[in-house]
Amino acid sequence: QSALTQPASVSGSPGQSITISCTGTSSDVGGYNYVSWYQQHAGKAPKLMIYDVSNRPSGVSNRFSGSKSGNTASLTISGLQAEDEADYYCSSYTSSSTLVVFGGGTKLTVL
Amino acid sequence: QVQLVESGGGVVQPGRSLRVSCAASGFTFSTYGIHWVRQAPGKGLEWVAVISYDGSNKYYADSVKGRFTISRDNSKNTLYLQMNSLRAEDTAVYYCSRESKLYYYSYAMDVWGQGTTVTVSS
Repeated sequence: QSALTQPASVSGSPGQSITISCTGTSSDVGGYNYVSWYQQHAGKAPKLMIYDVSNRPSGVSNRFSGSKSGNTASLTISGLQAEDEADYYCSSYTSSSTLVVFGGGTKLTVL
Repeated sequence: QVQLVESGGGVVQPGRSLRVSCAASGFTFSTYGIHWVRQAPGKGLEWVAVISYDGSNKYYADSVKGRFTISRDNSKNTLYLQMNSLRAEDTAVYYCSRESKLYYYSYAMDVWGQGTTVTVSS
């Protein structure tokens, strides 16, 4: 069982917006602004999409945005495109003995 | 270009040891912390360990603590993961990944290798 909880799957049509949630506790997501989001296409390495809750690395489309409320972080993808179809993982710093925890991943299907 | 390349994966029997490596290029290796993250077949990402830019600080996941050792050789731009007492549940693709900020921990990983596969099986 992953430390952070994500929905197993979400879907949307091209042009629509979707949001993926990532729920933790006050020891991780809720207590620190060290939430990151990664995109992973099948058979490929993960790619950093969001860091520090809401910051986008250079080169990442502004269609991707992040936010946090309490113990839940969210990734929103607007103007869905076929190329967005992938697995998405959240991660966070944790004050427990394990320094970093990941969510179980969410499979995004673009209909 | 900025690159991380893992090597050393393979098939190993339960209880045996294996060392995987990660060669860095295209950036000043000695100024970044580096992580190991693994992914079991068909499963999600699992953080394994991190080492600070100078090798003075190391942290491990509870699942590998006492069995795995992370180290680095900044003169060779290379990261290592020594894995002892391997178990079937250690079977995974092992990725090395770079911290996104110089010197300090951001707990975000902005550069990833392509991964090396470790299979623990008799």
